[in-house]
Amino acid sequence: QQKVQQSPESLIVPEGGMASLNCTSSDRNVDYFWWYRQHSGKSPKMLMSIFSNGEKEEGRFTVHLNKASLHTSLHIRDSQPSDSALYLCAAYSNYNVLYFGSGTKLTVEP
Amino acid sequence: EAAVTQSPRNKVAVTGGKVTLSCNQTNNHNNMYWYRQDTGHGLRLIHYSYGAGSTEKGDIPDGYKASRPSQENFSLILELATPSQTSVYFCASGDAGTSSAETLYFGSGTRLTVL
Repeated sequence: QQKVQQSPESLIVPEGGMASLNCTSSDRNVDYFWWYRQHSGKSPKMLMSIFSNGEKEEGRFTVHLNKASLHTSLHIRDSQPSDSALYLCAAYSNYNVLYFGSGTKLTVEP
Repeated sequence: EAAVTQSPRNKVAVTGGKVTLSCNQTNNHNNMYWYRQDTGHGLRLIHYSYGAGSTEKGDIPDGYKASRPSQENFSLILELATPSQTSVYFCASGDAGTSSAETLYFGSGTRLTVL
């Protein structure tokens, strides 16, 4: 059973629209959440991290975290075609190892 | 940005053959990881290391060995390659320091095909 579950599997949004991606962990030992972005044919790169309850904003990207429900979400406003990528959610357990979800494939259509 | 170099970029192997994937990082990070990526599975952890001489099993270690002879180098070894090990393999490094919250820096990946 995967420790990190992401939804939806794929998402299509129009250019300029809002993309919302979800991630939940089934491991109560999870502490921190990360979002990585992977463009097609490239390696994953860290996008944002969140460790405390609440919201964190960086430019067009906003991350929410609810530690009680072990749920995090990533929101991309004013989506651009260059945002098209696989978005991977990751979480640390008390084994200090990072576990990744299966990802959400985002396509932003011009 | 941290530099992680993997070799080879592409590899075709025969069933039953031995395959070694190499990874080198130049940022003096303590932790190194091997993941494989398959469609629908995201990144799955195979082996990891906290420093030279140490290797630990991840979620899917069967059929793989790892070696960390130095701070900079971390290898993944497939002693008897099977077609089910056809995948894209990523190496990553990170330095958690005193915290478990570290950013991972990934290499460019190795595409392995086992025929």
